[in-house]
Amino acid sequence: GAVVSQHPSRVICKSGTSVKIECRSLDFQATTMFWYRQFPKQSLMLMATSNEGSKATYEQGVEKDKFLINHASLTLSTLTVTSAHPEDSSFYICSARPQPKGVNTGELFFGEGSRLTVL
Amino acid sequence: GNSVTQMEGPVTLSEEAFLTINCTYTATGYPSLFWYVQYPGEGLQLLLKATKADDKGSNKGFEATYRKETTSFHLEKGSVQVSDSAVYFCALSSYGNNRLAFGKGNQVVVIP
Repeated sequence: GAVVSQHPSRVICKSGTSVKIECRSLDFQATTMFWYRQFPKQSLMLMATSNEGSKATYEQGVEKDKFLINHASLTLSTLTVTSAHPEDSSFYICSARPQPKGVNTGELFFGEGSRLTVL
Repeated sequence: GNSVTQMEGPVTLSEEAFLTINCTYTATGYPSLFWYVQYPGEGLQLLLKATKADDKGSNKGFEATYRKETTSFHLEKGSVQVSDSAVYFCALSSYGNNRLAFGKGNQVVVIP
């Protein structure tokens, strides 16, 4: 199946610093990638939709200046948490869908997630 | 709008027991339905899917049938193993829609 890889898988940073998380589709091209945030024992919350070559679309309540998303190529999207604070500590997951072939069934492939801890 | 409801609370059961996790949905049109599994410390993996009414998705001994009349997609496995301990998410995607709507997930713990 299609593979999506995230890096780093774990990161610890000091409050006030910025952290970048990469999401790569390894064996397919993705015009669209999605970034989710998962709080402990809760479901995934969609943060934004990342479109290759254009600005990301953010969900209501998500600060776009706080969570910078760049989708520079068909295989790479990055999420930068700027001026991180302890409340930004969470599990961040990206997903991607191969460029559509035929009927769009909505199937997405997920990265393994990145756990951010802000001290 | 689209939404997914999963049964409340974690599920704890013994090895070789029968597992059922309920999932109901609300959607416009004809959604595709999915079950994702998340093992400890890992991202989500697609477990199975069904794209139209009466379809049965199956994988690794798990099954779920797309029931349009009851708007349900319950997950079942006849004999669970310790390795099935994970969090299971039900999700849907409307035709032509990129976005997945997830249920809250159910923690499943299988005791030897």
